[in-house]
Amino acid sequence: QVQLVESGGGVVQPGRSLRLSCAASGFTFSSFGMHWVRQAPGKGLEWVSVISNDGNSEYYADSVEGRFTISRDNSKNTLYLQLSSLRPEDTAVYYCAKPSQPSEIDFLIESWGQGTLVAVSS
Amino acid sequence: IVMTQSPDSLAVSLGERATITCKSSRSLLASSNNKNFLAWYRQKPGQPPKLLIYWASTRKSGVPDRFSGSGSGTDFTLTISSLQAEDVAVYYCQQYYASPITFGQGTRLEIK
Repeated sequence: QVQLVESGGGVVQPGRSLRLSCAASGFTFSSFGMHWVRQAPGKGLEWVSVISNDGNSEYYADSVEGRFTISRDNSKNTLYLQLSSLRPEDTAVYYCAKPSQPSEIDFLIESWGQGTLVAVSS
Repeated sequence: IVMTQSPDSLAVSLGERATITCKSSRSLLASSNNKNFLAWYRQKPGQPPKLLIYWASTRKSGVPDRFSGSGSGTDFTLTISSLQAEDVAVYYCQQYYASPITFGQGTRLEIK
């Protein structure tokens, strides 16, 4: 079955960088565009970014545009999110998420990982 | 697209009906396929969200039939016909009509 396992979270100081990873299994990774969604402690869900199945297209939320970079390695079935110039308001659980249909980019999210916590604090 | 849910929290007795509404700032009905790009998720404490309903009213395989979705255009409803203890959670609507994907603020459902 579909498995999405995030890693790379932790405590980081404001202005620093961090790279999150998401190891995918149980489906043909290269056929699906993939998303990152985050959730601040006790708050709602906020979409962060999506990358096309071939890695050639990327889209970002305004709140992270220019600071975060999404990428993927289809040979390793792994999705990445590079977080730079981190701010306290970036503190959240970051979820890797898979859409329901194989396509370049699909916005209906069907499966979620367990998430990895990023805490930005001095 | 701004998604607004109501109420923010809801307490319902076991076996009773629970109703959550979601309003979008623009129509989610696509003329290309005559479908509403609206999904509902349930998130239990300490867990990631789980997809319940998509295309506004299509129940995902394995989701109990006490969950139903309705509505079109800008106004949508999630109904739980007979509340069970395991339904205690936060429920989110989400539009996937246009980027960026946006979610409602969530509705916390509790047992009365």
